[in-house]
Amino acid sequence: DTAVSQTPKYLVTQMGNDKSIKCEQNLGHDTMYWYKQDSKKFLKIMFSYNNKELIINETVPNRFSPKSPDKAHLNLHINSLELGDSAVYFCASSRYQGMDTGELFFGEGSRLTVL
Amino acid sequence: GIQVEQSPPDLILQEGANSTLRCNFSDSVNNLQWFHQNPWGQLINLFYIPSGTKQNGRLSATTVATERYSLLYISSSQTTDSGVYFCAVVSDGGSQGNLIFGKGTKLSVKP
Repeated sequence: DTAVSQTPKYLVTQMGNDKSIKCEQNLGHDTMYWYKQDSKKFLKIMFSYNNKELIINETVPNRFSPKSPDKAHLNLHINSLELGDSAVYFCASSRYQGMDTGELFFGEGSRLTVL
Repeated sequence: GIQVEQSPPDLILQEGANSTLRCNFSDSVNNLQWFHQNPWGQLINLFYIPSGTKQNGRLSATTVATERYSLLYISSSQTTDSGVYFCAVVSDGGSQGNLIFGKGTKLSVKP
């Protein structure tokens, strides 16, 4: 059973389009995250949700909008895609939200290519 | 914010060799994880180790929190160990769950 699953794994689209990436975790965790890995392999947090509530919102263009329908799902919607949005997007989850979030578990990543 | 530095940036080994990867961080942490990103891009959890020593097969890790560093040991390396190894931390003063990643150590194990 896949603990943190993302769909789609690959996404190729044109500039200006809108796209979504879905994430689901079956670990029973309370907190979910989106991380972005750029072309130089650098990983950085974008958003964090705890039990459907936004906790962390790093400096991300407002074209990116996370949505959490329930604590097992955290989707990422991107409007008006730009070339610079090309990256690998990782979803993650952890059991806790607090002083010690515990171990984070990552999905397999979704590679977005904007042409 | 906290700085995370990994060394060496690149490492080439012959199969069977041992290696030590280092992670230095600039502030006190309450979370430290080591990951292996394999050639297919998957981030594999290796250790959750904010302090102390853990072992898992040929891999072991030690974090000395008071001295702000962590070490990952790989013994009898295999070609399947190739990939990028990341250290990531959450600082005591940081946002909860905001893992700050180092730039990674790229390991290539030759047969």
